[in-house]
Amino acid sequence: AQSVTQLGSHVSVSEGALVLLRCNYSSSVPPYLFWYVQYPNQGLQLLLKYTSAATLVKGINGFEAEFKKSETSFHLTKPSAHMSDAAEYFCAVSVTQGGKLIFGQGTELSVKP
Amino acid sequence: EAQVTQNPRYLITVTGKKLTVTCSQNMNHEYMSWYRQDPGLGLRQIYYSMNVEVTDKGDVPEGYKVSRKEKRNFPLILESPSPNQTSLYFCASSSLRRTSGGGRGYEQYFGPGTRLTVT
Repeated sequence: AQSVTQLGSHVSVSEGALVLLRCNYSSSVPPYLFWYVQYPNQGLQLLLKYTSAATLVKGINGFEAEFKKSETSFHLTKPSAHMSDAAEYFCAVSVTQGGKLIFGQGTELSVKP
Repeated sequence: EAQVTQNPRYLITVTGKKLTVTCSQNMNHEYMSWYRQDPGLGLRQIYYSMNVEVTDKGDVPEGYKVSRKEKRNFPLILESPSPNQTSLYFCASSSLRRTSGGGRGYEQYFGPGTRLTVT
């Protein structure tokens, strides 16, 4: 069965610092992985997706993620945090049955001035 | 514009009063789902539909009903809401995409969410 674990429910960084949000997955088939962002009082917005075409995936707003099969990881990074990046981030893996996504618990990112 | 719409966006109701949250998509997607989002739990699937008249339970179906009479619509029904159904609800639609590695995956498009409070 597929599953996703996000390490750290809260991450705090200073403006301009590196952002690293961790995600590990479990999947018995080639995974289809996503990162979504949710700004306060808003819905889910797709940041980026991995579809096995390339291991380094670039998304919107300067975010990227690298798929590492040996580590079963799909960590999200951004070189320099902006105040506007403060939000909750969800990692998800797609499963065949039910056409659904299995979500991690979410990581709330705070950015300090 | 491709989108998933939900109504209402906000709803406050009382225990036991039946309600329906509507969901509609304009992308001709076969698959539609309902999720609920609760703090610390991420999003969990309530029900899903693989096509018209085909629905099945997700991970947390208790207390909910759905129907899929038209491809574009997938309403969520709470026959007798209770306070533990206070949550943020998302509708999503998707189509099947086969990955180059041979796996199957679903790119999901989410609605804006419905914040439900049951008192």
